[in-house]
Amino acid sequence: AQSVTQPDIHITVSEGASLELRCNYSYGATPYLFWYVQSPGQGLQLLLKYFSGDTLVQGIKGFEAEFKRSQSSFNLRKPSVHWSDAAEYFCAVLNNNDMRFGAGTRLTVKP
Amino acid sequence: DSGVTQTPKHLITATGQRVTLRCSPRSGDLSVYWYQQSLDQGLQFLIQYYNGEERAKGNILERFSAQQFPDLHSELNLSSLELGDSALYFCASSVTPATDTQYFGPGTRLTVL
Repeated sequence: AQSVTQPDIHITVSEGASLELRCNYSYGATPYLFWYVQSPGQGLQLLLKYFSGDTLVQGIKGFEAEFKRSQSSFNLRKPSVHWSDAAEYFCAVLNNNDMRFGAGTRLTVKP
Repeated sequence: DSGVTQTPKHLITATGQRVTLRCSPRSGDLSVYWYQQSLDQGLQFLIQYYNGEERAKGNILERFSAQQFPDLHSELNLSSLELGDSALYFCASSVTPATDTQYFGPGTRLTVL
């Protein structure tokens, strides 16, 4: 069955520290991959996406993600986290009209 | 601001009632999607329309229905509401249905008492 897994439900990092949020997917072919961020009470904002080409993609707010086909992963990274990055992050995959989201990772940023 | 608008922002109603949620896609987007977000189920795809036609169906209950009008706005109708229908309902839109980025609206928070 097709699935998207975000293994970490909650991550806490200190402001200024680096961040990596994990995402693994289970699909027959390489799907289209996305990371969205959701602040409390808000809608989802697209951070970045991967369709094809360079496996390292740059997004907004200083985020980047790397697609690794061999690991079926699309991990999100940021070199230095800001307090305003505290939010919920969702990995999503789109395969032939079927959009699936991971369960989300809640990021807490310590001062 | 994604360009997708949803009304109302909040809705409080009673069990057994019927409500209609409205979505206006981004200018130029032909495809509209509806999602439900709840604490226990997470984000779930409900249904997709493209240029007025139903394109794909997800975990949408029979008590729920949707349509997309000629001006491309969409409505999600929820009937015989139950407590468990309380959730955040998102609309998203994209230019094309299958491979394009979806942009999300701010959501409608439905509370069923």
